[in-house]
Amino acid sequence: DQQVKQNSPSLSVQEGRISILNCDYTNSMFDYFLWYKKYPAEGPTFLISISSIKDKNEDGRFTVFLNKSAKHLSLHIVPSQPGDSAVYFCAASARYNQGGKLIFGQGTELSVKP
Amino acid sequence: DGGITQSPKYLFRKEGQNVTLSCEQNLNHDAMYWYRQDPGQGLRLIYYSQIVNDFQKGDIAEGYSVSREKKESFPLTVTSAQKNPTAFYLCASSNPGLAGVDEQFFGPGTRLTVL
Repeated sequence: DQQVKQNSPSLSVQEGRISILNCDYTNSMFDYFLWYKKYPAEGPTFLISISSIKDKNEDGRFTVFLNKSAKHLSLHIVPSQPGDSAVYFCAASARYNQGGKLIFGQGTELSVKP
Repeated sequence: DGGITQSPKYLFRKEGQNVTLSCEQNLNHDAMYWYRQDPGQGLRLIYYSQIVNDFQKGDIAEGYSVSREKKESFPLTVTSAQKNPTAFYLCASSNPGLAGVDEQFFGPGTRLTVL
């Protein structure tokens, strides 16, 4: 039972354009969401997070949107750069009752072409 | 320089042998985690520990064992009972604290290949 789903295994975008990565979840207890970026043969690095009390969080070129009613979040990267090419994982957690556990999606491989 | 180290980067073992993967952190984090990554399946939680001398099974704990004798260290043993051990293994740590959750910091990973 996949509680966090990233239905697009890959995404290709032109440099300078917007990249939109999507993530859906099923557990209504999730109240904290994170995005990680991962290069091959390396550990993931934290990008941005959002609490369920917000619907948007912005950090430079990265913005995460949360739609609680649809149980959907998305990561926008504007403008996209070739260095953004990596696998992006969304993760979710239910605070206070999971001991800091994160549930990860399957990942979306982003390719930004020059 | 604070961070998480995993060693070795690449590990080869014969089928039927136990192998222990190292994970050390100097971030003073209370919680530590082990994940495995397989192609197309994202990160799956093997074991986690919220405090020294305590740990819990994750979603795919069968065939694995851990210990948490020190705050800084959380070694993972892949036993011969693990049916498909070849994978990329990632260790992480965090300080859930009063907020109940916090971002996890990951090590560089160990690629285990069982021949």
